[in-house]
Amino acid sequence: SQTIHQWPATLVQPVGSPLSLECTVEGTSNPNLYWYRQAAGRGLQLLFYSVGIGQISSEVPQNLSASRPQDRQFILSSKKLLLSDSGFYLCAWSSQGRSPLHFGNGTRLTVT
Amino acid sequence: DQQVKQNSPSLSVQEGRISILNCDYTNSMFDYFLWYKKYPAEGPTFLISISSIKDKNEDGRFTVFLNKSAKHLSLHIVPSQPGDSAVYFCAARGRGGSQGNLIFGKGTKLSVKP
Repeated sequence: SQTIHQWPATLVQPVGSPLSLECTVEGTSNPNLYWYRQAAGRGLQLLFYSVGIGQISSEVPQNLSASRPQDRQFILSSKKLLLSDSGFYLCAWSSQGRSPLHFGNGTRLTVT
Repeated sequence: DQQVKQNSPSLSVQEGRISILNCDYTNSMFDYFLWYKKYPAEGPTFLISISSIKDKNEDGRFTVFLNKSAKHLSLHIVPSQPGDSAVYFCAARGRGGSQGNLIFGKGTKLSVKP
């Protein structure tokens, strides 16, 4: 069966520090991969999605970037964190075509 | 501008009764709708979906109804159980464009009381 791993579960970082969140998927090949963010009191907002290695699409302009160095690895990064980057970050995968997204357990990021 | 709206932030229901969670959307291009359940400190879990060619989809205690003319869908949970207590997100997706660009509502927190 397919599983998705996301780490760390929680992270506290100072303003201006770099960020790297990692997500890996097991049990499937060539998945679509996504990064979502849930800010306090808001719904889930799509940040990035990828349909293949090295292919990244950004949905909103922001201080973050994403990379997909391997088929089942998706990384969310920032060179300098802002206070507004605080939130709950979720990685997700789906099969090609119209299928549900399956989410990881998320990373709670607090920028201080 | 919210394209997917869940106007009730919370709902409280007695165990054994029906829970009805509502969702409205504004984009007539949406043709695939999903419900997710989320516990604290966990990622959302897929519950049930419906395509716009249907008006009802059922899976065990969960049924989703779609009213395209009203741009409204609802999730019915019968009978409700304490373990159903969670935040429920409605999501929608349109044809074409980014394959996984699900638009989510803000969620409704369901509390099922024993």
